[in-house]
Amino acid sequence: EPEVTQTPSHQVTQMGQEVILRCVPISNHLYFYWYRQILGQKVEFLVSFYNNEISEKSEIFDDQFSVERPDGSNFTLKIRSTKLEDSAMYFCASSWTGMNEKLFFGSGTQLSVL
Amino acid sequence: DAKTTQPTSMDCAEGRAANLPCNHSTISGNEYVYWYRQIHSQGPQYIIHGLKNNETNEMASLIITEDRKSSTLILPHATLRDTAVYYCIVVINTGTASKLTFGTGTRLQVTL
Repeated sequence: EPEVTQTPSHQVTQMGQEVILRCVPISNHLYFYWYRQILGQKVEFLVSFYNNEISEKSEIFDDQFSVERPDGSNFTLKIRSTKLEDSAMYFCASSWTGMNEKLFFGSGTQLSVL
Repeated sequence: DAKTTQPTSMDCAEGRAANLPCNHSTISGNEYVYWYRQIHSQGPQYIIHGLKNNETNEMASLIITEDRKSSTLILPHATLRDTAVYYCIVVINTGTASKLTFGTGTRLQVTL
């Protein structure tokens, strides 16, 4: 079965630094998502992306966050100035359509902000 | 999106059927019931979804009551690899990107 690939699997950074988390969605999918999960807490929606623009974003997704699809295959999440509370597992997901379709999730990037 | 209620945890013997209930009493007519699971700290994995009718695929069966206020996910022959947190999620059909609101789910422990 096709997979969503995320790199790196682990990222350690200093508070205030910028990080870019990378994802390669499934090749023919059109909708892309970022979710995150703080240790021991729920999986939380961050943002959805379609047709080169954000479809929806949560309250968590503030000005420190941005997403980009720089080419035909990658989908990135940038955090401009990381905070301790940004430490979490970040999951990328993709779907063929946005309607009643199953989301395929990657295995995640564990971000640790020191 | 309608809120869902699931038991915090359940146990199931390997080889037996695991029946995971979910209440969604405030579900509206255009909301679908989705089930995902999360094994350890991996990414959530889609299992099945439905609107009104019962559904079955290679992983599981989904039974939705006639009034749609509750549903049951059935894993017919649970294995140790089915140990995971199972999420019942109600998703409205907005015609745009599907946003999933995860709750705390049911932690299923499959034992020998």
